[in-house]
Amino acid sequence: EVQLVESGGGLAQPGGSLRLSCAGSGFTLSDYSINWVRQAPGKGLEWVSFIFVTGDPIYYADSVKGRFTVSRDNAKKSVSLQINSLRVEDTAVYYCARVRGNSLTTQYFDYWGRGTLVTVSS
Amino acid sequence: QSVLTQSPSVSAAPGQKVTISCSGSSSNIGRNSVSWYQHLPGAAPKLLTYDNDVRPSGIPDRFSGSKSGTSATLGITGLQTGDEGDYYCGTWDGSLRAVVFGGGTKLTVL
Repeated sequence: EVQLVESGGGLAQPGGSLRLSCAGSGFTLSDYSINWVRQAPGKGLEWVSFIFVTGDPIYYADSVKGRFTVSRDNAKKSVSLQINSLRVEDTAVYYCARVRGNSLTTQYFDYWGRGTLVTVSS
Repeated sequence: QSVLTQSPSVSAAPGQKVTISCSGSSSNIGRNSVSWYQHLPGAAPKLLTYDNDVRPSGIPDRFSGSKSGTSATLGITGLQTGDEGDYYCGTWDGSLRAVVFGGGTKLTVL
């Protein structure tokens, strides 16, 4: 069974940092591109970042560019999202999702994790 | 404000049919494939359709996707109480170089 599990969320202060991880089971994570998507309380889904299967290219939403860094370690079968300079508005459940499709323009997310909650508050 | 526009809510009785629309532009829906996701309370989002109108295995044919021009539509027939939740459209935006989602439509099965 394909599963994605996010970890690393928690409470952090504004200006602080967190590192989220996405682990996969039931498939080979290194064979897939991964997206991060978040959902703030009471809001809809917001795309955060994309990392290609080889680690390049990488894309970010404008709202996180310069503060978030996505990376992957295919040997360790994990994808990470380093979140720096945290803001209150970064409070959200963060999901990782497996990407399918032959290109950026046809991509879709066939499996999602259950998410990890990031709370930014002083 | 989301790049893709969805109606905030829709409701219908069990057994009835609803359609959920998603409006975009030539830089996103007009050029690229659309997918639809179901997000039920407390669960991970779930893929319902991709490549505009393709259902993954295991998704019942009560769910259907379509696209015309810069708009896409999700249809749900034979509504069940278990269908209550939020529904999102998504696609790639070539101008933004970003994945974009609609703001979500909350489905209530009365």
